[in-house]
Amino acid sequence: SQQGEEDPQALSIQEGENATMNCSYKTSINNLQWYRQNSGRGLVHLILIRSNEREKHSGRLRVTLDTSKKSSSLLITASRAADTASYFCAWVSSGSARQLTFGSGTQLTVLP
Amino acid sequence: ETGVTQTPRHLVMGMTNKKSLKCEQHLGHNAMYWYKQSAKKPLELMFVYNFKEQTENNSVPSRFSPECPNSSHLFLHLHTLQPEDSALYLCASSQVAYSGSWRETQYFGPGTRLLVL
Repeated sequence: SQQGEEDPQALSIQEGENATMNCSYKTSINNLQWYRQNSGRGLVHLILIRSNEREKHSGRLRVTLDTSKKSSSLLITASRAADTASYFCAWVSSGSARQLTFGSGTQLTVLP
Repeated sequence: ETGVTQTPRHLVMGMTNKKSLKCEQHLGHNAMYWYKQSAKKPLELMFVYNFKEQTENNSVPSRFSPECPNSSHLFLHLHTLQPEDSALYLCASSQVAYSGSWRETQYFGPGTRLLVL
């Protein structure tokens, strides 16, 4: 993709396990965000990490950012069936403050 | 919910029909967005309205016509669409500061699932 990639495209785990999703982008960024989308619904903002930050936590979520590798990861710890959703990274490119560019998403299925 | 509502939630239309999608945000934001989400493709930004003025139009065909009468309402008028326009259309809003800097978090509506026959 000319914009970026997310991997894996799909991830299936058991309840209680950790889930890790990765995102790569191609431009210099101002910040990177993660969103969650339940099937056929709108996106919900989860967490934002700025370009000068390396790691951020929010509840069971942990996000890392490596600007030298132009990559980010989202870790969901102790997953629950209710975490089943699609997860998207999105970034604001430097010098393009008004636009969010989205990755292709990871479909996470947490089995009870 | 997120404070952004969209109607209708589902829409089926023929290629010769004219229809409109409506979005309303109850968050006091001053920027609103239309996105298109097709199967197996990343979210595509279509239009951006900032302080009711259209600031972005990402090469969207003219059969899609946005309208933003005030900072709380956004419409997407549809005319002579093609089957490939079938998708989930998402509206979002955010708060832009007067200095032009952008509060990056966007709040999304539930979307309108559009099917063009």
